[in-house]
Amino acid sequence: NAGVTQTPKFQVLKTGQSMTLQCAQDMNHEYMSWYRQDPGMGLRLIHYSVGAGITDQGEVPNGYNVSRSTTEDFPLRLLSAAPSQTSVYFCASSYSIAGFTDTQYFGPGTRLTVL
Amino acid sequence: GNSVTQMEGPVTLSEEAFLTINCTYTATGYPSLFWYVQYPGEGLQLLLKATKADDKGSNKGFEATYRKETTSFHLEKGSVQVSDSAVYFCALNNAGNMLTFGGGTRLMVKP
Repeated sequence: NAGVTQTPKFQVLKTGQSMTLQCAQDMNHEYMSWYRQDPGMGLRLIHYSVGAGITDQGEVPNGYNVSRSTTEDFPLRLLSAAPSQTSVYFCASSYSIAGFTDTQYFGPGTRLTVL
Repeated sequence: GNSVTQMEGPVTLSEEAFLTINCTYTATGYPSLFWYVQYPGEGLQLLLKATKADDKGSNKGFEATYRKETTSFHLEKGSVQVSDSAVYFCALNNAGNMLTFGGGTRLMVKP
């Protein structure tokens, strides 16, 4: 099992550019999520999905879009990058039992810099 | 709403010292509580968890007890090693799909 994989590892964008952060998992987990990690603020939830075709907003969704067409993949799209989106982004997945997520497994992260 | 508060770091200890990292939470109901660890350059991985009051989670010599009366889940280890140097995150899941994280505590262990 590869677990949770993320690409790219590093990315530099200019303000206004768009890009997609990729996330895939091979554990057949129903639940997938995106977090951003900023110094001193822990991790904050951006968007999450409880299954293919179902997504919902987390704590800080503005400026980000997601979709979930398959169980395995959960890409995060930045439509028009802003310097405030400079951060480290983590994807996570877990089993979902009766709407309750179990232990979450995290990918290695994508470090994004927006100039 | 839900919130998690951790002691600010960095915490610097000598090898074989005793470690405590404080974590308190605010939540309604009966959340599950977690400690995650992040080693340099890596993603987070689960260290231990507890799902109900008075449960003790343990792993790799680390322990934490779910104390509902004090809304706390302090992380302890009797003898730290240099390899324990990392950032530790306390988190809760309140019967839903979202993990709420504390700000993280950096631990540095010197030989």
